[in-house]
Amino acid sequence: EVRLLESGGGLVQPGGSLRLSCAASEFTFSDFAMGWVRQAPGKGLEWVSTIYRGVGTTYYADVVKGRFSTSRDNSADTLFLQMDSLTIEDTAMYYCARAQTSRFWYFDLWGRGTQVSVSS
Amino acid sequence: DIQVTQSPSTLSASVGDRVTITCRASLSVGNWLAWYQQKPGKAPTLLIYKASSLESGVPSRFSGSGSGTEFTLTISSLQPDDFATYYCQQYNSYSTFGGGTKVEIK
Repeated sequence: EVRLLESGGGLVQPGGSLRLSCAASEFTFSDFAMGWVRQAPGKGLEWVSTIYRGVGTTYYADVVKGRFSTSRDNSADTLFLQMDSLTIEDTAMYYCARAQTSRFWYFDLWGRGTQVSVSS
Repeated sequence: DIQVTQSPSTLSASVGDRVTITCRASLSVGNWLAWYQQKPGKAPTLLIYKASSLESGVPSRFSGSGSGTEFTLTISSLQPDDFATYYCQQYNSYSTFGGGTKVEIK
């Protein structure tokens, strides 16, 4: 079954760090751009980051630029999101998603998400 | 940055109703717009891309239209499985999601 499985979420104090992982199954991971989208409790969807295939060009939302870093390991079919200098506003469910790129990207396959809670 | 606004934010409807949700962009996004469905506690799923292209496996009662700054998602005959929240997303300039439209049982 084609799927994405996130891990690495948890409770962290403001100013702390977390590294999320997303394992891809049953599709050629290296052929696709990948992204992260988050959803704060009771709120809508917010694009966080996208990494292209190949050389792995990355794009970030302004609210996370300079604090978050996206990378990928094509040999392990895994996507990563390194989150530093976390704030309470980063509390959200974080979804990994496969991106279809044309003009920019939309997301055709989503993981179940991993919860990140930032609190003292 | 391109802002995306959905209306209404909540919609009450009955099974069998024709439902229309509107998405407006602050600048033209051409036809670079997608629609998603999200059920409580679940990840979103893609319904429509490039404004009017139906994703494989999505029922034909879902359709999308529009271009430029105004788009619509239409459900021709609402089914019990369709009560959910719907989001649009522009991808003409990076990515921006609308605020969502919750379709409730009337």
